[in-house]
Amino acid sequence: DADVTQTPRNRITKTGKRIMLECSQTKGHDRMYWYRQDPGLGLRLIYYSFDVKDINKGEISDGYSVSRQAQAKFSLSLESAIPNQTALYFCATSDTASGSGANVLTFGAGSRLTVL
Amino acid sequence: AQSVAQPEDQVNVAEGNPLTVKCTYSVSGNPYLFWYVQYPNRGLQFLLKYITGDNLVKGSYGFEAEFNKSQTSFHLKKPSALVSDSALYFCAVRVNTGGFKTIFGAGTRLFVKA
Repeated sequence: DADVTQTPRNRITKTGKRIMLECSQTKGHDRMYWYRQDPGLGLRLIYYSFDVKDINKGEISDGYSVSRQAQAKFSLSLESAIPNQTALYFCATSDTASGSGANVLTFGAGSRLTVL
Repeated sequence: AQSVAQPEDQVNVAEGNPLTVKCTYSVSGNPYLFWYVQYPNRGLQFLLKYITGDNLVKGSYGFEAEFNKSQTSFHLKKPSALVSDSALYFCAVRVNTGGFKTIFGAGTRLFVKA
């Protein structure tokens, strides 16, 4: 099983619909992130969470919300999807501990969202 | 503003030749720098990082990167490219704005021709 699992892997929806992308991890990491990938723009940070009670906006949080249901689960919601939210979405985790693994992100396989 | 730049959208190299994928950064303080690779239909995978110490960092799959503080660069290199190295490569830097987080460059697509 993957360390970071995202569901769904692919989703096609219509403008105005509410969408939730889910992420779960077995790494035991405290920190979780949601990124969006668009061609030519790299990855942009949407939201991040350093523990269950901590939620922070990233560079492009407008139109998105998140929920950290448990240390292992971090979901991303689009309350009313619009076409320019069509993108590939990645969940990632990282450890707070020091050592060789510190600061390294572990990514899920991605969720491809198409908003018509 | 803190940022990371990858000046080349695409790099083409013949199999067996050396490859370089360029990255420059702008951060306050000492930089934590990373390279990740993305294969088709996959998430990003960690290749290597520079935190401190030797300017030449070795990573997975024979890749290495050279940290150059005066040029604020962290170029990814490999002495002999393989066709299987063809992928999308991202340079990233850790920044401390509202807590530590990682920001990414736009990515460079590497094509290795047989």
